[in-house]
Amino acid sequence: KAGVTQTPRYLIKTRGQQVTLSCSPISGHRSVSWYQQTPGQGLQFLFEYFSETQRNKGNFPGRFSGRQFSNSRSEMNVSTLELGDSALYLCASSARGGRQYFGAGTRLSVL
Amino acid sequence: ELKVEQNPLFLSMQEGKNYTIYCNYSTTSDRLYWYRQDPGKSLESLFVLLSNGAVKQEGRLMASLDTKARLSTLHITAAVHDLSATYFCAVENANYGGSQGNLIFGKGTKLSVKP
Repeated sequence: KAGVTQTPRYLIKTRGQQVTLSCSPISGHRSVSWYQQTPGQGLQFLFEYFSETQRNKGNFPGRFSGRQFSNSRSEMNVSTLELGDSALYLCASSARGGRQYFGAGTRLSVL
Repeated sequence: ELKVEQNPLFLSMQEGKNYTIYCNYSTTSDRLYWYRQDPGKSLESLFVLLSNGAVKQEGRLMASLDTKARLSTLHITAAVHDLSATYFCAVENANYGGSQGNLIFGKGTKLSVKP
């Protein structure tokens, strides 16, 4: 069974640009969550999607958004990038009531 | 504010020694997770602890949960170099109706096992 797949693995952008990250969950998993990991703030919850609906949202500005498609694949978008958005972005999927399984992450560098 | 606190944050051990990592949390969540992260890698799920008194063991690692004390421990027995990694505990954010998709993580414990 394939794991959680995140693309791209690495991304370099400049301030002011926008970026879209993709996450394909484990087959059969309908819940997808996104987390941001930085050395200073650690792992922080961004948002969770279930059946194409945003179920929860963390304490991030509106520049961070996401969506989920009917096949459970999810994308997150960050507009007007800032230097502080440089981070490892992790996606996790889970089945109902189950533990979360994480993808390899997308490392975003904002110059 | 919901908090998950781990200690120590850094741990340098000799091979063959035992040690315990502690995870205190402030939410009323009854589920606690332990993850391992190697440098530059993603999070690997180690344990899910679902109820008070739960104990799980895998190899040289054993995790336990005391929901009344809001404390979980990760005990390392006879450490080996391969256990060097960062270990995170996480709890579900009860403010979001117990959704498993919203975890609050501790800062992580960076473990280094030296020969």
